[in-house]
Amino acid sequence: NAGVTQTPKFQVLKTGQSMTLQCAQDMNHNSMYWYRQDPGMGLRLIYYSASEGTTDKGEVPNGYNVSRLNKREFSLRLESAAPSQTSVYFCASILQGARGQPQHFGDGTRLSIL
Amino acid sequence: DAKTTQPTSMDCAEGRAANLPCNHSTISGNEYVYWYRQIHSQGPQYIIHGLKNNETNEMASLIITEDRKSSTLILPHATLRDTAVYYCIVRVTTDSWGKLQFGAGTQVVVTP
Repeated sequence: NAGVTQTPKFQVLKTGQSMTLQCAQDMNHNSMYWYRQDPGMGLRLIYYSASEGTTDKGEVPNGYNVSRLNKREFSLRLESAAPSQTSVYFCASILQGARGQPQHFGDGTRLSIL
Repeated sequence: DAKTTQPTSMDCAEGRAANLPCNHSTISGNEYVYWYRQIHSQGPQYIIHGLKNNETNEMASLIITEDRKSSTLILPHATLRDTAVYYCIVRVTTDSWGKLQFGAGTQVVVTP
C-alpha cells in the first residue's frame, strides 16, 4: 500500500545542471500534481495533469517541465537548475470527479541548488 | 475557491482535546471543507473532510456550523505526535483543476 512514491528523497545540484523528479501512484488516480514548498511557506502548484495525456501550468511553472508518462507516473524536470528552485517538492494525486475525494501526497523531494 | 482564516498557533496538553477553528465565510454551496496536517519535513496528510454534516473518522471529528461559514477540527485525545501545522481548505471537488489552496495553517504544539 505505497500510495504516492517520490524519488529521490534528497538531491543536491549545481546551478545549470538538469534533473528529473519522479512520482508514481498506485491508487488508480486520474489527476496528479506537483507542488513546491519553500521554508515557512505554504504549498504552491507548479504543474498538474488532470488526466493521462494532459498537463497544465499552475501558479509557478517557470523553469520546469512535466511529463505524464502514463496513468501512474508524473515527472517534473528542471532543465537548468537555479538557486531559486531550492525547495521541497511534493507530488500529489486524486481521483478527480469523485465527490469528496482527498488529494494524497508523497513525502517530498528535498532539492538544494548551489 | 473560498479563502480560510485560521489562528496562527495553538498549544494543547497531551491527552486533552484539541479544537482547531477555521473561518470560511465566503464558502459556496458546492465547496467541501478539508483538513490536512503537515508534520515537520513530511508530506501533507489528509485528515477529514465534510460538506454540511458533521463527520468523524479514526483521526478526528469535523464540526461544521449550520450556515457553513466556519468549522472546527477536533482531535479528541492529543498526543505528542499530533504536533504539526494544520490546514483548513475549502474547494470544489469536481472542478477540472483540483488544486488545493494551502494557507499558512495553524501550528499546533502538543506538550506533555
